[in-house]
Amino acid sequence: DGGITQSPKYLFRKEGQNVTLSCEQNLNHDAMYWYRQDPGQGLRLIYYSQIVNDFQKGDIAEGYSVSREKKESFPLTVTSAQKNPTAFYLCASTTGTGGMNTEAFFGQGTRLTVV
Amino acid sequence: AQTVTQSQPEMSVQEAETVTLSCTYDTSESDYYLFWYKQPPSRQMILVIRQEAYKQQNATENRFSVNFQKAAKSFSLKISDSQLGDAAMYFCAYRSAFFTSGTYKYIFGTGTRLKVLA
Repeated sequence: DGGITQSPKYLFRKEGQNVTLSCEQNLNHDAMYWYRQDPGQGLRLIYYSQIVNDFQKGDIAEGYSVSREKKESFPLTVTSAQKNPTAFYLCASTTGTGGMNTEAFFGQGTRLTVV
Repeated sequence: AQTVTQSQPEMSVQEAETVTLSCTYDTSESDYYLFWYKQPPSRQMILVIRQEAYKQQNATENRFSVNFQKAAKSFSLKISDSQLGDAAMYFCAYRSAFFTSGTYKYIFGTGTRLKVLA
């Protein structure tokens, strides 16, 4: 079955550590997105990528980095520069076109906690 | 810039009753898409319903329907015959029909938590 897989489901980070969240899709989608979800704040865009080897900062990119070396993969690194990383992270993908292909598909999320 | 506002942080409905979740948005664009996504306790985001702005007819999906008022920039979700499985966080979302800044951006509201009472 096609879909988006995020791993791990739960992740713990020590102060000063970098951690990487995985996002893989087999939907052949061009566009991929990373969102952060905090209580009462909805989903905020961290980074997005429309094509391989290209990505753009979203609204809250500080302290995060991404890569898009393959169409299927869009990993997110939470660096030590991110001062408040504890949150729920969602990866999404879409065909990037219009009409009936406007739906964004989501992974199951990663809960990151700083310990 | 586009914004999406959900003014009801939490709503409750009795099982089998009808409930309406509100969403307003702001945009200067003429063409766009609006969505309602459901996030159950599993936290998996699921598309509930989609509306294309150029279509005047309100979208329906089984027990779910929308009231799309383009001039008022309002996009409410009506859930009929509410079921226990409808309990979830519901997000309203906007997507431009235009390819800007290198992608199609989705703008989400802050969500409404729906409780279904047995």
